[in-house]
Amino acid sequence: EAQVTQNPRYLITVTGKKLTVTCSQNMNHEYMSWYRQDPGLGLRQIYYSMNVEVTDKGDVPEGYKVSRKEKRNFPLILESPSPNQTSLYFCASRRDRGTTGELFFGEGSRLTVL
Amino acid sequence: QKEVEQDPGPLSVPEGAIVSLNCTYSNSAFQYFMWYRQYSRKGPELLMYTYSSGNKEDGRFTAQVDKSSKYISLFIRDSQPSDSATYLCAMSGGNNNDMRFGAGTRLTVKP
Repeated sequence: EAQVTQNPRYLITVTGKKLTVTCSQNMNHEYMSWYRQDPGLGLRQIYYSMNVEVTDKGDVPEGYKVSRKEKRNFPLILESPSPNQTSLYFCASRRDRGTTGELFFGEGSRLTVL
Repeated sequence: QKEVEQDPGPLSVPEGAIVSLNCTYSNSAFQYFMWYRQYSRKGPELLMYTYSSGNKEDGRFTAQVDKSSKYISLFIRDSQPSDSATYLCAMSGGNNNDMRFGAGTRLTVKP
C-alpha cells in the first residue's frame, strides 16, 4: 500500500529535550515536506526537500532541522523544543519536484511541549 | 493579509443540503487549485484538482475557479454524513514549490 508513515503519532515532552519525528514514504517520491497545522493558521511549511541531500527552508523553519540522506526518509528534528512548537505535524511527499501534482500526507504527529 | 483566506466555519448542514465552500487569494501567479479533505485524526487527502479558471465536476463535487476575482469554490451536492470533515483549499504556481493552504473549513453534515 502506498503511504507516508510518521512516528510517533502522539508525543508529550518537556522544554529542551531533543526529539525526532520520523517520516518514511514507499512511493519513490522525489519531493518531501514537513508542515505544522495550527487552529486558524492552516498548514504552514517548515522544510522541504526536492532530492536526496537537498533541503530548503519553508515559511516557519525556526527551531527545526531536517535531513534527507535517503530518498524514502525525511526526519524532522527539534533540537531544543519549546512550548510554541506544540502543534500537529504532517509529513507529505509528491512524485515530482515541481509545485503541481498531488501531495500525499502522513496521518500526523501531535506534539505537546510542556 | 494572508495569501489565502478561508472561512474556518464551523459549518453545519442537514443531510441532502448543497454545501458551498470558498477561498479567496491574493497571488495572481497561482495557477493550480486544489481541495483537500481531512477527516478527524487523519492527514489531508486530495479531493479535487483544477488548472486555471473553469469548472471541474467529479460525482457530487464541483470545483470552480474564477481567476479574475481570485476566488475558488467547492460545491457538494446531496451532502452526506460521511462528508463531515475539514476542507482545505490549496494553490500553487509562480515560485517553485510555492504551495499555499487555506486555514480549512470544518463541515458537519447531520443525518
